[in-house]
Amino acid sequence: EDKVVQSPLSLVVHEGDTVTLNCSYEVTNFRSLLWYKQEKKAPTFLFMLTSSGIEKKSGRLSSILDKKELFSILNITATQTGDSAVYLCARNHGSSNTGKLIFGQGTTLQVKP
Amino acid sequence: DADVTQTPRNRITKTGKRIMLECSQTKGHDRMYWYRQDPGLGLRLIYYSFDVKDINKGEISDGYSVSRQAQAKFSLSLESAIPNQTALYFCATSDPRGSNTEAFFGQGTRLTVV
Repeated sequence: EDKVVQSPLSLVVHEGDTVTLNCSYEVTNFRSLLWYKQEKKAPTFLFMLTSSGIEKKSGRLSSILDKKELFSILNITATQTGDSAVYLCARNHGSSNTGKLIFGQGTTLQVKP
Repeated sequence: DADVTQTPRNRITKTGKRIMLECSQTKGHDRMYWYRQDPGLGLRLIYYSFDVKDINKGEISDGYSVSRQAQAKFSLSLESAIPNQTALYFCATSDPRGSNTEAFFGQGTRLTVV
């Protein structure tokens, strides 16, 4: 089945904690996997991963893709209250550049002061 | 100004009414998409368009129709709204040139059907 599954569905941590969000998928032939952050309305782009084992970093956020084990993780170190959001994982539909995305359910992260 | 603009931002309508959600973009992208988001289900693709003459059904197109009036405009219609179409609707664009398939989202339209 063509699904993207995220875990955990929700998470509550305190400022300064490190969190790891998981994203697993079921097909091997796709172009890229993407992570988005959704705070109030529009998802905003975080990372695009196309190659296995190459970490992408942006400040306290990092992400990596494992195409052999069919998963990706998003790490957030030294969390802040501003990191509270829904984090969405999505992969492209198929190997061609259609721009169609298949999303996971999202992980709701709450960072308490 | 937002690159992808959706109107209205919020709408309450009655069962059986026809409603149109509009999307316009200034990014110059050929590809446009409509998604809906429901709690616990992530975003699901309703319709997508690769250019003005190209319209395609997505995963959940039943009960919806679209119109691509111009490269920059893509509207979503509910011909006869029903309560289970209550959701947050997103328009998105992407650029097929190059290798990136990142989607750019509008601010969303929260639709409630009563």
